[in-house]
Order: sequence, then structure tokens, then C-alpha cells
Amino acid sequence: DSGVTQTPKHLITATGQRVTLRCSPRSGDLSVYWYQQSLDQGLQFLIQYYNGEERAKGNILERFSAQQFPDLHSELNLSSLELGDSALYFCASSVDLTAHTEAFFGQGTRLTVV
Amino acid sequence: GENVEQHPSTLSVQEGDSAVIKCTYSDSASNYFPWYKQELGKRPQLIIDIRSNVGEKKDQRIAVTLNKTAKHFSLHITETQPEDSAVYFCAASRKAGTALIFGKGTTLSVSS
Repeated sequence: DSGVTQTPKHLITATGQRVTLRCSPRSGDLSVYWYQQSLDQGLQFLIQYYNGEERAKGNILERFSAQQFPDLHSELNLSSLELGDSALYFCASSVDLTAHTEAFFGQGTRLTVV
Repeated sequence: GENVEQHPSTLSVQEGDSAVIKCTYSDSASNYFPWYKQELGKRPQLIIDIRSNVGEKKDQRIAVTLNKTAKHFSLHITETQPEDSAVYFCAASRKAGTALIFGKGTTLSVSS
């Protein structure tokens, strides 16, 4: 167990809908990263939050947004869903910005858009 | 931004053989290079990492080498075992606290 908790584990929804994925980082970790894993694209970085503020953006679509709350949990919101958004979404957390430290991954949320 | 290329995409070896996975990165400012292993249906987990001030690092059957001049790094697994079968991802990061940029992964199959 990495200490990073993601809910739900599975989500099936229809095209055009909106979903929210939740991530609780390891205790003490201030940085949260969201990644999308699809079969042919590996782990694609979406967005990073640090201590409540957006830190960096990767290949995140405009239909997607995220936030990190004061208790440091984070949510990834996906709207106007398309079939191609079906993927495994991972959240990872690490301690802070002062040194390279291990990023711990959650178990992921498998999103299926039908 | 950083781009990480990883080869091969699939690798099949016999138990006991060695396996080598290679990655190249584009951003010369990158200075941290971890490798993650993802078993089927599970989360990626760090297996070894190397920083730019080191050329090689070894941990039992796993080693990683880094060539900063050529901007490439490699994972070497010796005496492979069936439990080494998994997807391996290389990654790069330019500064502490910045996001890891991953390669597309290598599916390693070790047959007994």
C-alpha cells in the first residue's frame, strides 16, 4: 500500500457526462500529480498541485480541470466526456519541492466512457 | 518541454538472461531519472533511480546507467526471473518537485 488513496476504483459513464475523480495523498505529502494512462500513450502527465496551488500543467485538455483542497486531497474533473477519454487515471504524491523524492502512485481509477 | 523516448516497446527473454531497456531525453536540464515497474493491474512503483551527478547505480540484479552527454539512460536487469515480467517505465525530471515525464513503457516478458 503506497498510502495514496484514489476513489472510485472503477467508473463507467456515458459520453457527454461529467465525472470527478478523487485522490488523497500520503500523509505529509504536499505535491499531487495526475497522470492518464492509455494503452498506447504510457503515463501522460496532466497537472500538478502543490500545497493547494496549481504548479504545472502537462497535456491536460480544456475539458479537464483539477483542484487541491486545504486538506491536500485533490479532485480531477472530467467533463463533456468522449470515448477517447477512457483510460486509467493515476494520482501520485511526493513530499515537497526541495529534493527529488519518490512519487508514490495510487491504485488508479479506471474510467470507461460508453 | 521534456520528451522521453523509450525502447524497445516489448522485450521477451528467457529466464536467467539479461534485459536492457533504453531511454533518451530531450531536456539537458533534466537531472533525475527514475524507473518504475508496473505489474498487471497494479500501480507503478519505483524500483531504482539515478541523479545526474552519478553515472551508474546498482541494486542487486538491477542497475541503471546514465550518459549525460548523449542524454540517454538505461535499465539493466540481470538473471531475469518470471516475476520480473511487467511494464517498465523510465522517466525524467528537471528540477526537484517537478513532474516526472515518462516514456511510453516497455513490456518485459520473462519465460521459464
